[in-house]
Amino acid sequence: EVQLVESGGGLVKPGDSLRLSCAASGFTFSSYSMNWVRQAPGKGLEWVSSISKSSSYIYYAESLKGRFTISRDNAKNSLYLQMNSLRAEDTAVYYCAREYCSGGICYGKDIWGQGTMVIVSS
Amino acid sequence: QSVLTQPPSASGTPGQRVTISCSGSSSNIGSHTVNWYQQLPGTAPKLLIYSNNQRPSGVPDRFSGSKSGTSASLAISGLQSEDEADYYCATWDDSLNGRLFGGGTKLTVL
Repeated sequence: EVQLVESGGGLVKPGDSLRLSCAASGFTFSSYSMNWVRQAPGKGLEWVSSISKSSSYIYYAESLKGRFTISRDNAKNSLYLQMNSLRAEDTAVYYCAREYCSGGICYGKDIWGQGTMVIVSS
Repeated sequence: QSVLTQPPSASGTPGQRVTISCSGSSSNIGSHTVNWYQQLPGTAPKLLIYSNNQRPSGVPDRFSGSKSGTSASLAISGLQSEDEADYYCATWDDSLNGRLFGGGTKLTVL
């Protein structure tokens, strides 16, 4: 079964760091770009970051640059999001999602994990 | 306020046809393909339409997408109660050098 499972969420204080993980199974992980998307409580979807198949291309939402770092380990079929200097406004469900991209064109995020909740509160 | 503008809400009765719009600019919709996602309450989003008008396997043909200039639309025909969900458009933006989601449209089936 094609599956993405996030982990690493939890309750942290403002200024803390947290590392999210996303374990992939059931497909060739190294053939897909991967994304992090978040959703604050009661709000819409917000794209966080994307990483290409071989990590050659990495993109971040402008508002998050410098605080979040995306990475992947194709040997371990895993995606990561290192989040530093966390703020209350980072409170959200964080989803990982795969996306097939070829020749500079991406074809939509077709598989999503169940999400992991991050709460930033003092 | 999102760069991609969607109506916050839409509604229809069972069997009706409903359209949801997504308005952008030349740096996003005008230059790149649009995807649509459906998010049922309490669940992860699901890819509904990719590359403006393509349906992934398993998505009913009641769902269709289109794009013209700097706007895109999602149409749902033969509306069913299980279509009640939030719908999001998404694309790339050259100015932001990143992905974008619209603000989302909450569809209510009356």
